[in-house]
Amino acid sequence: DVKVTQSSRYLVKRTGEKVFLECVQDMDHENMFWYRQDPGLGLRLIYFSYDVKMKEKGDIPEGYSVSREKKERFSLILESASTNQTSMYLCASKRGTEAFFGQGTRLTVV
Amino acid sequence: QQPVQSPQAVILREGEDAVINCSSSKALYSVHWYRQKHGEAPVFLMILLKGGEQKGHDKISASFNEKKQQSSLYLTASQLSYSGTYFCGTGSGGGADGLTFGKGTHLIIQP
Repeated sequence: DVKVTQSSRYLVKRTGEKVFLECVQDMDHENMFWYRQDPGLGLRLIYFSYDVKMKEKGDIPEGYSVSREKKERFSLILESASTNQTSMYLCASKRGTEAFFGQGTRLTVV
Repeated sequence: QQPVQSPQAVILREGEDAVINCSSSKALYSVHWYRQKHGEAPVFLMILLKGGEQKGHDKISASFNEKKQQSSLYLTASQLSYSGTYFCGTGSGGGADGLTFGKGTHLIIQP
């Protein structure tokens, strides 16, 4: 089975902290994605990557950056966390047609 | 830009049918449908590519009208297990293809 693993299920951080969310996939997929999910807003694409060291902005990249140094790992970075970044973050990977999602990281910024 | 889904929510009795619509202002290469149950990750249902095809498995099917940039998901004789939030995702094609999802449609099936 394809596995997309996010490093933490729950995370609490302070305003202004630098936050790293890690995602690892085990199926050699080229494409990886970061979304945030908020009630009533659905899944909003933050960044995606189609190859190592390659990245593209999604619909809401402001306040975020990403890193993909190895094919299996895609990191989301909040340079200076703010309370409006409190959300559920979902990572996904895809090759071909089907995307596989991780279980999500619920981040609370206080 | 997120595709637009309608309705936002549907409540059905077991055995009834439902249609969920998805439209986009951008030219589409593909439409993807996912279902997310409460507390779980979204799970792939099906993908439709350019060509106006209709696909389905079991009692869930979908159509894609690329000229109208619309897709519809059809759930026939709904079962309790169909409850969840349905998302349509759209792709514009190309090597660097971001998958953009709508806000979701909440489907509640009652016995």
